[in-house]
Parts: sequence; structure tokens; C-alpha cells
Amino acid sequence: GIQVEQSPPDLILQEGANSTLRCNFSDSVNNLQWFHQNPWGQLINLFYIPSGTKQNGRLSATTVATERYSLLYISSSQTTDSGVYFCAVALRGGSNYKLTFGKGTLLTVNP
Amino acid sequence: GAVVSQHPSRVICKSGTSVKIECRSLDFQATTMFWYRQFPKQSLMLMATSNEGSKATYEQGVEKDKFLINHASLTLSTLTVTSAHPEDSSFYICSARGVRDRYYGYTFGSGTRLTVV
Repeated sequence: GIQVEQSPPDLILQEGANSTLRCNFSDSVNNLQWFHQNPWGQLINLFYIPSGTKQNGRLSATTVATERYSLLYISSSQTTDSGVYFCAVALRGGSNYKLTFGKGTLLTVNP
Repeated sequence: GAVVSQHPSRVICKSGTSVKIECRSLDFQATTMFWYRQFPKQSLMLMATSNEGSKATYEQGVEKDKFLINHASLTLSTLTVTSAHPEDSSFYICSARGVRDRYYGYTFGSGTRLTVV
């Protein structure tokens, strides 16, 4: 199956700092999503971005499908940004379009 | 739009009993629903995929007889954990795929934390 690798596994920031999270995947995809999992377990869909660039407030994401990676940028981080960030992909041409998750990046933003 | 409701959010049950978890797509028809399991400090692992009106497809290593999945309509899928044991304690999350997913991706429920005592 498709492999999804996220880096770094852990990241500690001071409030106000910027950060970049990376997601590498091993095959062509037709779906790529970035999620933030809050302390209660809820997965918040940040971006649906199988290719191109999107921005939403302090967050932006870029996927370079031909090179099989995606980046999530967080600017001016806040303590509420803390949590686990997951990248998930669905294999192009795969059956049922199931999402495979990376292991996540645990982000801690200190005041 | 694209809301998925999952109930219950928390359940505690005795060992040997069965527990049913519901996943509903509230404002769209879900052609496919997915069930995931997450252990503490780990990622989400896909358990099974269900399409309305057909049998679920289980991932390798997932016991079909223990985790019964029913996708009776385009808006409802259920996961029943049968004869639950403490090792089944986990966080279970459902996801739904509909026609909007090509624009917004898949939508996830809020999860169910199962504790078997």
C-alpha cells in the first residue's frame, strides 16, 4: 500500500513563531487532506489539497503532486494551534478511495 | 455542509457485552463510509470500508466477526463491537465520502471513546 511519512514527529514552538510541516507519499494520489486533531479527538479538516496551493488565515498548504510531497505552513502560531497534525492520502486508482494516514506531527506551542 | 454525526461519544461497557456505534451523514448522501481505530498517541488505522447495501471490506488483520459493520442506507453506517474485551478499548472514528469529496475531501465524525471494563 501507499506509504505516508510526516516530519518532524514532534515540534515545540514559542507563540508567534512560524513552522512548516512536511508530508511525503510514495505514489500518485487523488486526495490529500491535512487535519488537526484537537485534545478531544475531533479531526478538523484543514485543507483538501491533492495539488496546488491554498490559504486559510494563518494556515496555508502546498502540494507538489509530481514530486509527491505536501507542506503545511503555520504562521504566527498560537497556543490553540497545539495538537496533532495529520496528513492523509488516497491512492489514485485505488479501490474505494480509502485514506491512509501518516503518523502525525505533535505540535506544542508555548506561551 | 458535509456534517457527520457519530454517537455515542463515550461508552463504558462490561467485558463480554456488545456495543453499537452509529455514524450518520446529516446533509449529504454517503456513497462510502470508513471506520478507523486509534490507540493513544498513535495514528488512525483503517478497519473497514462500507458501501450502502453491500458487505463491508475489512482490512487485513481486522476480525470480521468481532467488528460488525452495517451500511443500511446512504446516510447511516453502524459498527458493532461484539463480545467486547479490554483490548478493544480504543477511539473509533467514522468517515463518510460523498459527491462533495472531490472539492472538500472526506468528512469525519467526532469519534467514540470505548472503554471495556
